[in-house]
Amino acid sequence: AQSVTQPDIHITVSEGASLELRCNYSYGATPYLFWYVQSPGQGLQLLLKYFSGDTLVQGIKGFEAEFKRSQSSFNLRKPSVHWSDAAEYFCAVGGQAGTALIFGKGTTLSVSS
Amino acid sequence: DTAVSQTPKYLVTQMGNDKSIKCEQNLGHDTMYWYKQDSKKFLKIMFSYNNKELIINETVPNRFSPKSPDKAHLNLHINSLELGDSAVYFCASSQTGLYTDTQYFGPGTRLTVL
Repeated sequence: AQSVTQPDIHITVSEGASLELRCNYSYGATPYLFWYVQSPGQGLQLLLKYFSGDTLVQGIKGFEAEFKRSQSSFNLRKPSVHWSDAAEYFCAVGGQAGTALIFGKGTTLSVSS
Repeated sequence: DTAVSQTPKYLVTQMGNDKSIKCEQNLGHDTMYWYKQDSKKFLKIMFSYNNKELIINETVPNRFSPKSPDKAHLNLHINSLELGDSAVYFCASSQTGLYTDTQYFGPGTRLTVL
């Protein structure tokens, strides 16, 4: 069965420091991978997605993610975090037509000054 | 203009009541979804409609009934509310319903059942 694991429940990063949020997936075929961000009191917004091709994907707000098939991972990175990046981050996997996205349990990012 | 809107934003009600949450999208998308986010922020699909037809119906109690009067609207009606229904409910839409599509989310409706 498809599943997504985000091992880190809560991460605190200093403003200006780099960030990496981990995501591991379980899926038998080629997965389609997504990162969404949820700001406090808001709905989810897509940061980036990966379907095929270049394994390094660029997204909005300066985020990028790298797909590593050998590690079943799709980690999200940002070189320099801003206070406005404090939010909940969700990794999701989809793989078959007619099926829904499967979301991980999310990682809460706090940014300290 | 808001792309995906939901009303109400907050809903507080007693156990046993019946309530509805409305969702509208002005993106011209064919597919709409309802998700439930529990107190631990776990997000799970409930229903999906494509051009007013139900295409995804996860294991959800029969007390939950989605209704799509047209492809721009997907409402969620909940009968006989229970404490465990307390959650944030998100509506979303996408262009075609393919899992590769970007899904656009509404701001959520926080339901509290007392």
